[in-house]
Amino acid sequence: QVQLQESGPGLVKPSQTLSLTCTVSGGSISSGSYYWSWIRQPAGKGLEWIGRIYTSGSTNYNPSLKSRVTISVDTSKNQFSLKLSSVTAADTAVYYCARDPGGGSFQDWGQGTLVTVSS
Amino acid sequence: SYVLTQPPSVSVAPGKTARITCGGNNIGSKSVHWYQQKPGQAPVLVIYYDSDRPSGIPERFSGSNSGNTATLTISRVEAGDEADYYCQVWDSSSEVVFGGGTKLTVL
Repeated sequence: QVQLQESGPGLVKPSQTLSLTCTVSGGSISSGSYYWSWIRQPAGKGLEWIGRIYTSGSTNYNPSLKSRVTISVDTSKNQFSLKLSSVTAADTAVYYCARDPGGGSFQDWGQGTLVTVSS
Repeated sequence: SYVLTQPPSVSVAPGKTARITCGGNNIGSKSVHWYQQKPGQAPVLVIYYDSDRPSGIPERFSGSNSGNTATLTISRVEAGDEADYYCQVWDSSSEVVFGGGTKLTVL
């Protein structure tokens, strides 16, 4: 059973870059045909997909965030990462990492980590 | 961009059947996935590919998808089913799209 765990700063200043890492355990991030995604949820609001990276390293991003997002993978550490630049208060949210086995559904999720953007 | 529309709330008495809809333009041509999210927890996949259930999800949860509406049906509703429910699709232009979510209240 694969497990995902988000980590990173819980507080980021406006205009800076938000950086989070998702550590995968119970399986290799580079095995199989999986997509690894980041999803966020502002308090009291719905889910918003940020983007994903495939096992091969190819990426897809939400068009509304594309200019600010970079997702990368480090297979040696069994991790994938999110960088979101030029953050504002609107980027305050719980950030989840999730695994998609290829059919477009998210079958495994991390527990989520709260990131607050504030000075 | 592709839009999925869900009712903000649905209420149902215990033991009855709850139906949560997800509307989208020709959604019947897409694969719809459904998630259950309880307060303070990560979402859990309850239905994928319109009507398939992951292992561990009760048979009381079922799904259908046709035309412009997909539906999540929960039979014999229990107090523990009270949660937010989200539909989700993959759209070629918008990538991954989530519905706005429906709060299921068990009366």
